[in-house]
Amino acid sequence: DIQMTQSPSSLSASVGDRVTITCRASQSISSYLNWYQQKPGKAPKLLIYAASSLQSGVPSRFSGSGSGTDFTLTISSLQPEDFATYYCQQSYSTPRTFGQGTRLEIK
Amino acid sequence: EVQLVESGGGVVRPGGSLRLSCAASGFTFDDYGMSWVRQAPGKGLEWVSGINWNGGSTGYADSVKGRFTISRDNAKNSLYLQMNSLRAEDTALYHCARDSPGDLKAFDIWGQGTMVTVSS
Repeated sequence: DIQMTQSPSSLSASVGDRVTITCRASQSISSYLNWYQQKPGKAPKLLIYAASSLQSGVPSRFSGSGSGTDFTLTISSLQPEDFATYYCQQSYSTPRTFGQGTRLEIK
Repeated sequence: EVQLVESGGGVVRPGGSLRLSCAASGFTFDDYGMSWVRQAPGKGLEWVSGINWNGGSTGYADSVKGRFTISRDNAKNSLYLQMNSLRAEDTALYHCARDSPGDLKAFDIWGQGTMVTVSS
C-alpha cells in the first residue's frame, strides 16, 4: 500500500498569512494527488485534484503543486473560513490512502 | 442539486452485521464510480471500499477485506455496504463519496455520513 505522510500535523497561523502544507508519498504517484478541506461536523470538500487543478467553486487563493512523491498545498492569504483540517489523498492505486491530516488553527 | 444521503447506521454488538445505503440524486448515477470512506471519532479519513460504474470492479481496504461487501443498484440510484463480523475498530462515521469523472478518481461529492457504533 502507498503511505501518505503530511507535515506538519498542526499549524497555527494568522489571517492574511501564506501557508504551505506538504504531502509525501511512499512511492511515485505521478500527479494522482488530491487535497480536501474538512471543517468540524462537516463532510470533506475537494479543493485540488490531479495535484494542481482547482476544483470548481474553490477560491483561487488555494493552489497545489508537485508530482512523483512530493506535493504541496498553498493558501496564499488565509481567510477566517480557511481554519480547518486538510487531507491529501492518492488516487494512483487501491487502496486510495489519505494522509493523517493537518489541523490549521488560528494563532 | 447533486446529493448523496447515507442511512442504515446504528449500534451493533461485536460480531454483528449492518447494511449501509447511500441514495444518490441530481446526477446520472451509473456514469460514476463510488466509494465508502470512514472516519473514526477524532481520527482521520480512511478509504474503505470502492466500486466502478457497473459493479464489475470492486476494491477493499485490507482492514475490511472478507468482512465487508460493496454493491450498487443503478436502477435505484443506490450504493450499499454490507458489513459483517463487525469489530469495535469499525466504529466510525461512514461517508459515501462519488469518484470524479475520468481516471483521476478524486472524491468530488460527499454525503454527510451515517454513524456506526460497534459496542457490547
